[in-house]
Amino acid sequence: DAGITQSPRHKVTETGTPVTLRCHQTENHRYMYWYRQDPGHGLRLIHYSYGVKDTDKGEVSDGYSVSRSKTEDFLLTLESATSSQTSVYFCAISELYLNTEAFFGQGTRLTVV
Amino acid sequence: GQQVMQIPQYQHVQEGEDFTTYCNSSTTLSNIQWYKQRPGGHPVFLIQLVKSGEVKKQKRLTFQFGEAKKNSSLHITATQTTDVGTYFCAGEASSGSARQLTFGSGTQLTVLP
Repeated sequence: DAGITQSPRHKVTETGTPVTLRCHQTENHRYMYWYRQDPGHGLRLIHYSYGVKDTDKGEVSDGYSVSRSKTEDFLLTLESATSSQTSVYFCAISELYLNTEAFFGQGTRLTVV
Repeated sequence: GQQVMQIPQYQHVQEGEDFTTYCNSSTTLSNIQWYKQRPGGHPVFLIQLVKSGEVKKQKRLTFQFGEAKKNSSLHITATQTTDVGTYFCAGEASSGSARQLTFGSGTQLTVLP
């Protein structure tokens, strides 16, 4: 497996609280992505990064922000968690943008109660 | 926006039977990727198809990309219990200025021993 670590792996939080998920890579890949996975929806892109401090929105970015201060770390923040953000979140990395294999982390299961 | 439909959503087969999942896009794709996700696991890249009419094989798995580059299929011959999991296609749209990868909702394969 590629060197991708997500933390935490599981989290339960209350509605309205901020939550930050971390993705750490040791592969020095330029591109990093955050996806959410929900039954019947496959994987949907939240945000992605194409370099340090360079990020862009995906198809389901509302309610989420990201930051990338170092090549190896990509943070996903839910500013004020809602029950609709209960999901499994996957981080992914790739050397090139899209037209290449993406490596996924183990996932973070987030429950908002 | 781009839509990628995948059917069937679920498939139960007896071990030794064949299995096929289909992916259809609303727009022409520049390439399509296939991923496998084992239960409780993370998506793992299987293959990428780029050329119109392309066919690639990996042991018992056969991947096809349609002539119009709007559909694709994954066929598994003589399924084994190790084939259990969810298979996702992910297509990159070839038109427009914003490149994006859209995942299908996946086909969950159960193989009965």
